[in-house]
Amino acid sequence: GAVVSQHPSWVICKSGTSVKIECRSLDFQATTMFWYRQFPKQSLMLMATSNEGSKATYEQGVEKDKFLINHASLTLSTLTVTSAHPEDSSFYICSARIGGRGEAFFGQGTRLTVV
Amino acid sequence: GQNIDQPTEMTATEGAIVQINCTYQTSGFNGLFWYQQHAGEAPTFLSYNVLDGLEEKGRFSSFLSRSKGYSYLLLKELQMKDSASYLCAASDSNYQLIWGAGTKLIIKP
Repeated sequence: GAVVSQHPSWVICKSGTSVKIECRSLDFQATTMFWYRQFPKQSLMLMATSNEGSKATYEQGVEKDKFLINHASLTLSTLTVTSAHPEDSSFYICSARIGGRGEAFFGQGTRLTVV
Repeated sequence: GQNIDQPTEMTATEGAIVQINCTYQTSGFNGLFWYQQHAGEAPTFLSYNVLDGLEEKGRFSSFLSRSKGYSYLLLKELQMKDSASYLCAASDSNYQLIWGAGTKLIIKP
């Protein structure tokens, strides 16, 4: 199957700082990528849909100014958590779907801990 | 609204068979996915059904009934490594994935 690479796998940061998470499609072009967060023992919660060359589409309740998404190329989307707080600590996962319709290929996920 | 229902947790014995059910209600339908997710890891793809019937893939099989809005994942010859959460996701008319909350499967020796 296709490969999606996410970096870093884990990060610890201080409150008030910003953290950038990268998501790359390694062997296909992804015009659309999806960013999820997952709290312990809960399912995936879609945060936003990242569209190459245009603004991201955010789900209701997700602060676009706090979770900045940039999709500057067909193989790279980034999520920046700005002014992080302990409640932002979570597992963040990106995914991409070939042609936007098939199975979702997931990155390895990023465990963010804000102290 | 759109909704996916699956049991929260199931327990089964090593070597046995377990069936995880999923019911869905979506605006339009373009297929049903099953994913496996081990704790602390990202989900991995298991199966995709868009037509009614059973799809078999090794120890894992997935069934779909579109008229009933129902799917199940069947795991045979259970192994300890099958302990994980199993996520059901339906693709709606816009090809957006609607995710279930996941079923945590516990395998006992």
